[in-house]
Amino acid sequence: TQLLEQSPQFLSIQEGENLTVYCNSSSVFSSLQWYRQEPGEGPVLLVTVVTGGEVKKLKRLTFQFGDARKDSSLHITAAQPGDTGLYLCAGENGGSQGNLIFGKGTKLSVKP
Amino acid sequence: DVKVTQSSRYLVKRTGEKVFLECVQDMDHENMFWYRQDPGLGLRLIYFSYDVKMKEKGDIPEGYSVSREKKERFSLILESASTNQTSMYLCANSKGFDYGYTFGSGTRLTVV
Repeated sequence: TQLLEQSPQFLSIQEGENLTVYCNSSSVFSSLQWYRQEPGEGPVLLVTVVTGGEVKKLKRLTFQFGDARKDSSLHITAAQPGDTGLYLCAGENGGSQGNLIFGKGTKLSVKP
Repeated sequence: DVKVTQSSRYLVKRTGEKVFLECVQDMDHENMFWYRQDPGLGLRLIYFSYDVKMKEKGDIPEGYSVSREKKERFSLILESASTNQTSMYLCANSKGFDYGYTFGSGTRLTVV
């Protein structure tokens, strides 16, 4: 069974701090996706990483896919209250095309 | 942008009632999905569909059924609602894994 483990589960920081959240698996994924979910809303796709070792940047957010394609990280520089939300990683379920499995998420709170 | 619309944001139903959750997309995407999201358990796939009149069981299909009579509409049915089906229900669509999922805003269902 493919599993995606995310850490930490909860993170509370002050505005301006940097942080990194992790998504790990014992399985190899062809690609991984990161989503952000705000309270009361559905998740929104942030990025897809495809190649082992790939780094993608989205403003203050930096996403990295591990060389072995089993893990990924999300680094936020100078966090802002607007970054508050649940960050989810997702990978394709090897058993069914187009079917994603999700990690349980990291709940981030950025205090002003 | 693709829009996925869920018919209700909040629902309260009684135990034993038959419940219909509706999801409509405004793009011509074949793939549609129903997830439930619970604290500590993350997103779990209930059912998905790759085409009209086609359905596949996800990880937790028990107590649920689905209907896809038209490409744009994917309905989740709780045959006889129970209190353990109290949850946030999220519908999503996709035109292919690499493009990611677009989620609706969710329906928070309470069964009393």
